[in-house]
Amino acid sequence: DAEITQSPRHKITETGRQVTLACHQTWNHNNMFWYRQDLGHGLRLIHYSYGVQDTNKGEVSDGYSVSRSNTEDLPLTLESAASSQTSVYFCASSESLTANEQFFGPGTRLTVL
Amino acid sequence: EDQVTQSPEALRLQEGESSSLNCSYTVSGLRGLFWYRQDPGKGPEFLFTLYSAGEEKEKERLKATLTKKESFLHITAPKPEDSATYLCGVNPGTYKYIFGTGTRLKVLA
Repeated sequence: DAEITQSPRHKITETGRQVTLACHQTWNHNNMFWYRQDLGHGLRLIHYSYGVQDTNKGEVSDGYSVSRSNTEDLPLTLESAASSQTSVYFCASSESLTANEQFFGPGTRLTVL
Repeated sequence: EDQVTQSPEALRLQEGESSSLNCSYTVSGLRGLFWYRQDPGKGPEFLFTLYSAGEEKEKERLKATLTKKESFLHITAPKPEDSATYLCGVNPGTYKYIFGTGTRLKVLA
């Protein structure tokens, strides 16, 4: 069965370190998204991609970067982790943007000390 | 500014006690209002997309409706397994999806 996976599921890091969160989908979807979820804010879009070599900034992109070298993967990098980036991160993919149906991964809980 | 507001923040129901969750929105150009269900420790799971006022969609005990300013998720005769957080969101036409903060539903047996 097709799926979307994220790794690691839990990560603790220190302020200033570079961190990369992995996202891998076997749906063969062109569209992929990264969100963060915080109490009181709901899901907020960080970056998104419509296909290989395409990346776009979302609502809260400062301090984050992504790259899309193939259809299956969209890694999210925190260049220099800050305590404000402690959150739960979700990756999602979709076949059709107009259908608004996204398939979400299980999430990565990141703690920045 | 595009915005989504969900109410109530939390809701406790007895099994079989029907109720509704509200999602009000302001958006410059709506390309769909959607509902997701999220269980603790998991990613959201898609339920419905509604595109125009008057549209309704149903799935088991859930029915979503849409007006020009808000959407309701009606839960009929809920069961404990319906306990979850329900997220509402909009596609403002730019595909930068905007989500509300969710309603935490607890159904007691």
